[in-house]
Amino acid sequence: NAGVTQTPKFQVLKTGQSMTLQCAQDMNHNSMYWYRQDPGMGLRLIYYSASEGTTDKGEVPNGYNVSRLNKREFSLRLESAAPSQTSVYFCASRTPTGTSGGWSEQFFGPGTRLTVL
Amino acid sequence: EDQVTQSPEALRLQEGESSSLNCSYTVSGLRGLFWYRQDPGKGPEFLFTLYSAGEEKEKERLKATLTKKESFLHITAPKPEDSATYLCAVRGGGSNYKLTFGKGTLLTVNP
Repeated sequence: NAGVTQTPKFQVLKTGQSMTLQCAQDMNHNSMYWYRQDPGMGLRLIYYSASEGTTDKGEVPNGYNVSRLNKREFSLRLESAAPSQTSVYFCASRTPTGTSGGWSEQFFGPGTRLTVL
Repeated sequence: EDQVTQSPEALRLQEGESSSLNCSYTVSGLRGLFWYRQDPGKGPEFLFTLYSAGEEKEKERLKATLTKKESFLHITAPKPEDSATYLCAVRGGGSNYKLTFGKGTLLTVNP
């Protein structure tokens, strides 16, 4: 059980280049999320997918697109990278119900560190 | 709009010196308050979920408590391995899927 995996771990892009960040989970979770984490800003939600076949914008979606390929995989695409997108990107997944019967916790991947020059 | 403020931004303790981290929140109908630990270069690791005022959860040297306006993460007799950034997040009643995170408290425990 690998949990949430992300590839690549590190990436350097030039302004205007495109790339796709990959995320997969093997916990049979329905919901998946993409966050970015910047110094002094905390974690901010980019996009989420409540279930297979659905995606919705989060707090900072501009410049990004997502694809929920199947229940396991949720990818994040930068079509034309900008220096403002330099950040650490985290993918997370969540079961419908938590251990206490309420809304469950999110499980995070190890992150992708992206630098846009 | 849901808001989360964590204090202090950074805290330095000596091994064995107990203290508390604060998470103040503003939400419309709290559906859950979450504590995470994040080590450098890694993703956040789940610690606790609290749902209602008065609730408490414990794990080893950590104890989380919740009131109607804030949550505390109490650290008793910390060890150097407790050094990390501690994140607080809330889920408000107006959002089915979104968590709002605070900026975190960087805890350093010196031997």
